[in-house]
Amino acid sequence: QVQLAESGGGVVQPGRSRRLSCVASGFTFSTYSMHWVRQAPGKGLEWVSVISNDGTKTYYAESVKGRFTMSRDNAKDRLYLQMNSLRVEDTAIYYCARVNGNDLTAEYFHHWGQGILVTISS
Amino acid sequence: DIQMTQSPSTLAASVGDRVTFTCRASQTISTWLAWYRQKPGEAPKLLIYKASSLESGVPSRFSGSGSGTEFTLTISSLQPDDFATYYCQQYSSYPITFGQGTRLEI
Repeated sequence: QVQLAESGGGVVQPGRSRRLSCVASGFTFSTYSMHWVRQAPGKGLEWVSVISNDGTKTYYAESVKGRFTMSRDNAKDRLYLQMNSLRVEDTAIYYCARVNGNDLTAEYFHHWGQGILVTISS
Repeated sequence: DIQMTQSPSTLAASVGDRVTFTCRASQTISTWLAWYRQKPGEAPKLLIYKASSLESGVPSRFSGSGSGTEFTLTISSLQPDDFATYYCQQYSSYPITFGQGTRLEI
């Protein structure tokens, strides 16, 4: 079955960088677009970014544009989120999520990872 | 950005009750709407997509309706597993946006 597992979370100082990873299994990773969605502690869901199946196209929420970079390695079935210039307001559980399409068309999220907590604090 | 507003924020109900949640979009989104259930400490789980299509494996007590700007999620007979937070999500355009959630309490 489809499985997504995030890693790379932890406590990071404001202004520093962190890279999250998401390893996929149970499906042909290179077929599908992937997203990151985050959830601040006790708050609602916020869409962060999307990448096409071949990794050539990305799109970001305004709140992270210019600071976060999404990428993927289809040979390793891995998704990445490079987060730079981190702010306290980036503190959240970060989920990777799979849709059913392969391009940047907005979709609903069919499958979710278990999430990984990133805490931005000095 | 399309704003999604859910009501109520909190709803108290009992096992066996029929409950309905509402989600309103700030502009028309046709039927590009999904519903999720999220239990504490877990990832969201897809229940409904395209406003009224039941995701595979989701019990038939869940149903969705609506189009344009107003949508509803109905649970016909609450089960203990259903006490959780429910989110709507529009995927008509980017940025994808979610409602703030409705917490269903016992």
